[in-house]
Amino acid sequence: QAVVTQEPSLTVSPGGTVTLTCGSSTGAVTSNHYPYWFQQKPGQAPRTLIFDTSNKHSWTPARFSGSLLGGKAALTLSGAQPEDEAEYYCLLSYSGARRVFGGGTKLTVL
Amino acid sequence: QVQLQESGPGLVKPSETLSLTCSVSGGSISSYYWTWIRQPPGKGLEWIGNIYYSGSTDYNPSLKSRVTISVDTSKNQFSLKLSSVTAADTAVYYCARDSRMDVWGKGTTVTVSS
Repeated sequence: QAVVTQEPSLTVSPGGTVTLTCGSSTGAVTSNHYPYWFQQKPGQAPRTLIFDTSNKHSWTPARFSGSLLGGKAALTLSGAQPEDEAEYYCLLSYSGARRVFGGGTKLTVL
Repeated sequence: QVQLQESGPGLVKPSETLSLTCSVSGGSISSYYWTWIRQPPGKGLEWIGNIYYSGSTDYNPSLKSRVTISVDTSKNQFSLKLSSVTAADTAVYYCARDSRMDVWGKGTTVTVSS
């Protein structure tokens, strides 16, 4: 099955901007992969930030945005806050409803 | 609003079958996809499979031979069965509404141990 890759870890300064990416072993990520982005803090269930590449839920802070960038799905955080320190996972869809998670990116705000 | 609650045994013996149920409250199970996801201790998320309310399913190929997901619309719930479990199946198991992944359960910890 496909392998979905994410940066293992990234660091951003408070107020800074960082982009997390999500790649696929099968080739370029497109809107047909319906990329999702999730945030998970220790001891909590994941929370969905972005669905279908760039759509936000009502609870998604405006500083988060999703896009396609250089053949990958991307999550950009503009104006990082201390509370954004968390693990971030992407999820891609393949052949219908089958889905694969990326390994996660540990984001440090420092 | 819609809420999900996972339930089932917290301890399962090796080689036995893990059975979990996700109860949907505050809304109907109809017209949506529903999914199971798990997270081993200290590791990332793994998609197990999903089911449409009509009963059609899709599974993670690496688990497909051992997984069955079913739905009971009369009870507004869907279920997960994972057979022949080993210690590697020890994880927090989450259920979620697959459409936009907008609703998640809190998760339930299942330990496989004799």
